[in-house]
Amino acid sequence: GAGVSQSPRYKVAKRGQDVALRCDPISGHVSLFWYQQALGQGPEFLTYFQNEAQLDKSGLPSDRFFAERPEGSVSTLKIQRTQQEDSAVYLCASSLGTGGRGYTFGSGTRLTVV
Amino acid sequence: KQEVTQIPAALSVPEGENLVLNCSFTDSAIYNLQWFRQDPGKGLTSLLLIQSSQREQTSGRLNASLDKSSGRSTLYIAASQPGDSATYLCAGLSGGSYIPTFGRGTSLIVHP
Repeated sequence: GAGVSQSPRYKVAKRGQDVALRCDPISGHVSLFWYQQALGQGPEFLTYFQNEAQLDKSGLPSDRFFAERPEGSVSTLKIQRTQQEDSAVYLCASSLGTGGRGYTFGSGTRLTVV
Repeated sequence: KQEVTQIPAALSVPEGENLVLNCSFTDSAIYNLQWFRQDPGKGLTSLLLIQSSQREQTSGRLNASLDKSSGRSTLYIAASQPGDSATYLCAGLSGGSYIPTFGRGTSLIVHP
C-alpha cells in the first residue's frame, strides 16, 4: 500500500480482555517497529522486526505483550489480560532498509482499557 | 544508549514569527536524525531526515540542522502559521542500532 495502515483506529477493552492490533506496512519494507505512546509523551520502543525475525523485544513491558510478523509483512501486537496502564496509542512504523532512509508511521491505534 | 531531549516542551507564538525547536542527543555517533510532526489523535508525519554526513536539510519553510559535535539538532520554522500548530518530535538513530530513540516532543501553538 501507499502508507502504513493500522487497525482498528480505536479500541475500547474491558480490563482483563485480550486485544489484537494490526499493522500493514508499506509493501517491501524490511523493518517494522511497534511503539507505545502515552498521553503527552514521546513514543517508547516496544519491539522490532526485520522481515519475519523479531530481532529486539526489549521494550515489551511484560509477558502479556506479544508481537508477531509470520510472513514478513503484516504484524500483530497482542496484549493479553489488558490493564488500565496499557491505555495508550500504539504506533507502527516501517522502513525500507534498516533505518538509513528514515521511517514511515501509521496513524496508530488508540487503546482505552476501562 | 541514546537519549533524546527536546526543549521547550511547549511553545505559543503569534502568527508570522520565526521560531526554533531544539533537540539534544547524548550519543554523538548518530547515524541520522528525523523530525516528525504529530497532530492531535494522529500518527507521525515525517518532515525532514538528516544523515550524519549532512549539516542541514530544507523543505519549504522548514530547515533542520545537525551538529554532531555538540549533540544538537534544531528545527527552524519560518513565518509560522496557525496550521503549523502540532507536536514536533525528533528521533535519533545511533550508528550500529536499528532502533530510533524519540524525544518527548515540543507542543507548538501558533495563534492568529
